[in-house]
Amino acid sequence: AQKVTQAQTEISVVEKEDVTLDCVYETRDTTYYLFWYKQPPSGELVFLIRRNSFDEQNEISGRYSWNFQKSTSSFNFTITASQVVDSAVYFCALSEGSITGANSKLTFGKGITLSVRP
Amino acid sequence: DTEVTQTPKHLVMGMTNKKSLKCEQHMGHRAMYWYKQKAKKPPELMFVYSYEKLSINESVPSRFSPECPNSSLLNLHLHALQPEDSALYLCASSQTPSGSSYNEQFFGPGTRLTVL
Repeated sequence: AQKVTQAQTEISVVEKEDVTLDCVYETRDTTYYLFWYKQPPSGELVFLIRRNSFDEQNEISGRYSWNFQKSTSSFNFTITASQVVDSAVYFCALSEGSITGANSKLTFGKGITLSVRP
Repeated sequence: DTEVTQTPKHLVMGMTNKKSLKCEQHMGHRAMYWYKQKAKKPPELMFVYSYEKLSINESVPSRFSPECPNSSLLNLHLHALQPEDSALYLCASSQTPSGSSYNEQFFGPGTRLTVL
């Protein structure tokens, strides 16, 4: 069975600080997909990134960067120079690959509430 | 058009009422999902429709009845709900239902349901 652990529950930082959100996953599949979603107070989950298990390249998108390490089963997310608008709940999620398409479930972590203070 | 829309945004209903939630996407996605999310919890999957057919039902009580009239629309019919069913109901869609590329799910803003 697959599992996603986000050990941090709440993080509070002051604007312009860097912050890293941790995500550790468990799966028996060799093909799987990892995701990060942002959920601001408005409620909508916003897709941030997808990574497949064969692509361990780190990714940077503006102030956001992701570090995928299969050796430690981790997919961590760093926000550089945080801003108040980054305040939200961040979910890491995992889905397993399936040739038949039978398994399209997302397993979510419990989420990390990030508060960025001005 | 890269969004999933949901109506209504808020819904208050009594335990004897019948109501429906609506979800729409025009991205040509062939998989659509209903999730239930309680406060301070991650979304919980309820149903998956794949090519307009129900492919996953996560043992959801029959008072929730999904319907997929066409590839762009997804409804959730509600009847005889309980107060503990109060939650944020999220709809999502993805290009493919399978565990392959382009399977990221795009979520709507949700319907906040309160059952009195």
